[in-house]
Order: sequence, then structure tokens, then C-alpha cells
Amino acid sequence: GAGVSQSPSNKVTEKGKDVELRCDPISGHTALYWYRQSLGQGLEFLIYFQGNSAPDKSGLPSDRFSAERTGGSVSTLTIQRTQQEDSAVYLCASSPRGPGQGSYEQYFGPGTRLTVT
Amino acid sequence: GESVGLHLPTLSVQEGDNSIINCAYSNSASDYFIWYKQESGKGPQFIIDIRSNMDKRQGQRVTVLLNKTVKHLSLQIAATQPGDSAVYFCADFTSGSARQLTFGSGTQLTVLP
Repeated sequence: GAGVSQSPSNKVTEKGKDVELRCDPISGHTALYWYRQSLGQGLEFLIYFQGNSAPDKSGLPSDRFSAERTGGSVSTLTIQRTQQEDSAVYLCASSPRGPGQGSYEQYFGPGTRLTVT
Repeated sequence: GESVGLHLPTLSVQEGDNSIINCAYSNSASDYFIWYKQESGKGPQFIIDIRSNMDKRQGQRVTVLLNKTVKHLSLQIAATQPGDSAVYFCADFTSGSARQLTFGSGTQLTVLP
């Protein structure tokens, strides 16, 4: 079946502009995660959605970052007034259930490479 | 705070040899661990996992060893192949917490011909 997809694959934007990154999780997966990966670094957790529960936003680095998940499926990560330090690969992952339901394995998308000039 | 780190940032092995990638974690309450493989330009891919009530788990050509006493995790790859060249991440999770997987910074494995 189809895996996690993300769009765009690459995004170049000017400092100060807003960007939207999209994630289509695997159909039926109730848990969705956003991570940020800087060059040569590990994954930095950003936000987690589980079903209809309030999202865990504890990883968002500033109030310029926000995310939504509509209808329990597609998610959009929005970065307002982008800064150069926002340049990174943004990865989305989904899971059949959340860790609270004993599901820890996450399926990752290919990521969106964001470059802020 | 919690951290999951790797001993070596790079590892080069000859094709056909066995590879061992190490990982240290700091949260003694972590009870679930995963190894991911990330090829260039792709998202991480699940390799193998292990729960804290186990000390060894084997998959296809891969074995994960867990030493809770010293909070150390390793990934062994048998008969390393060129397709194994990638960055390998370990990640840990603590059940009962709202926090998500904590990833290490990764080890770049290069398989030499």
C-alpha cells in the first residue's frame, strides 16, 4: 500500500515568508508526528496528533510554528515569518495507533527540505 | 534531561564483514528501543525494535542487544552489504509518558568494496 507522502519535496523561501508543508499519512493510521532534522543531526520532535485528542505541541520551537490535522488524516505544518535557522528537513511519520495504545513503530515520509534564504 | 547518543559518528566496514553500531541512552525508565536506517534523501526506515524486558532480538541479518545495566544498545549487521550504507539512528521511548521517541544523532555506516 501507499506509504507516508509529503509535499513539496523541496521548498526554497525568502526569510520572513510563511510556508506550509503537507503530510499524507498512511490510511487508517491514527497517530501522526512531525519532526525536524537539521544537517547531520538526529530527529527533533515537533508535534504529535493522536485521533481526536488535543495534539502534543511540546516540541514546537516557537509560536511561529503551528500544525493542523484535518479529519484525522492530512496534516499541515505552518511556519510563519521563516528564519534562516528554520532551514532543515521536515519529516512526517504516522503510526497505526499511538504510544498510549502500545504502538511505537513509526512510518516516515521522505521529508520536505526547507531552505530559507 | 533525556538523551540518546551514539558513540561514533562514522563507521566504515568492508563488504562482507559484520558491523556493530553502538548507542548509549540516559533515561533508565526507557522501556522500548528502535533502530532506524536512513538512506540519503529518504525518511528513516524501521529496522528492528526491542523492549526492555529483553536483552537480545534477532531479525534478518540484524541483531539488537540491550544492556540495561550500562544503558547501552547496539545494532549488529551480519555480512554487511553495499546497500547497508546509510545513517543509523537509535531511539528510545518511555511508556506511560506523553513524550515521543527520542532519537540519537546517528552513525554514518559506509560499506567499502
